[in-house]
Amino acid sequence: GENVEQHPSTLSVQEGDSAVIKCTYSDSASNYFPWYKQELGKGPQLIIDIRSNVGEKKDQRIAVTLNKTAKHFSLHITETQPEDSAVYFCAASMVTGGFKTIFGAGTRLFVKA
Amino acid sequence: DAGVIQSPRHEVTEMGQEVTLRCKPISGHNSLFWYRQTMMRGLELLIYFNNNVPIDDSGMPEDRFSAKMPNASFSTLKIQPSEPRDSAVYFCASSFGTLELFFGEGSRLTVL
Repeated sequence: GENVEQHPSTLSVQEGDSAVIKCTYSDSASNYFPWYKQELGKGPQLIIDIRSNVGEKKDQRIAVTLNKTAKHFSLHITETQPEDSAVYFCAASMVTGGFKTIFGAGTRLFVKA
Repeated sequence: DAGVIQSPRHEVTEMGQEVTLRCKPISGHNSLFWYRQTMMRGLELLIYFNNNVPIDDSGMPEDRFSAKMPNASFSTLKIQPSEPRDSAVYFCASSFGTLELFFGEGSRLTVL
């Protein structure tokens, strides 16, 4: 089955700096790659996603890149703010009838003011 | 607009007791997922349903775990008998068409 690895497990940046989180996946059949943000005491919430036919997608300060050949995808947050502090999860999904989303282990991001 | 509703939010029980976690998905959503979150193993998919039918239960850890979805607006995850290693936060999520998962706030289970 699918396996998603995520690095780093913890990331600390200064406010205004950029943050990058990297993931790899194992199953070449995966074709949808969402990123979720989880704040303390809450469930994860989708912040951005990318499909396998696209190499890059941007939404304001957040961007995702996908390299299907290498099975790598990354989340880039620019101009970080204290409210960006949270746990971020990458995930990979295979759309087959229903769909199954497998998550990475998560990255705890601290943005220092 | 109500999101995914889970109950109870917190449950503390003793080893050997039966635990039932409940989930009400967003109205109109046709897929429902149960995840377990622990520090050691992250977010694990336990089971998911499509149109109330279990599609993949390969993540259910063992026979002590069972899940049902008797109708489109209700699902349960049952653990019987519970063990300390079942302590975790259990999330229910629902979806319709767009692949985005909408998570509830989770049920924190502590088994003593």
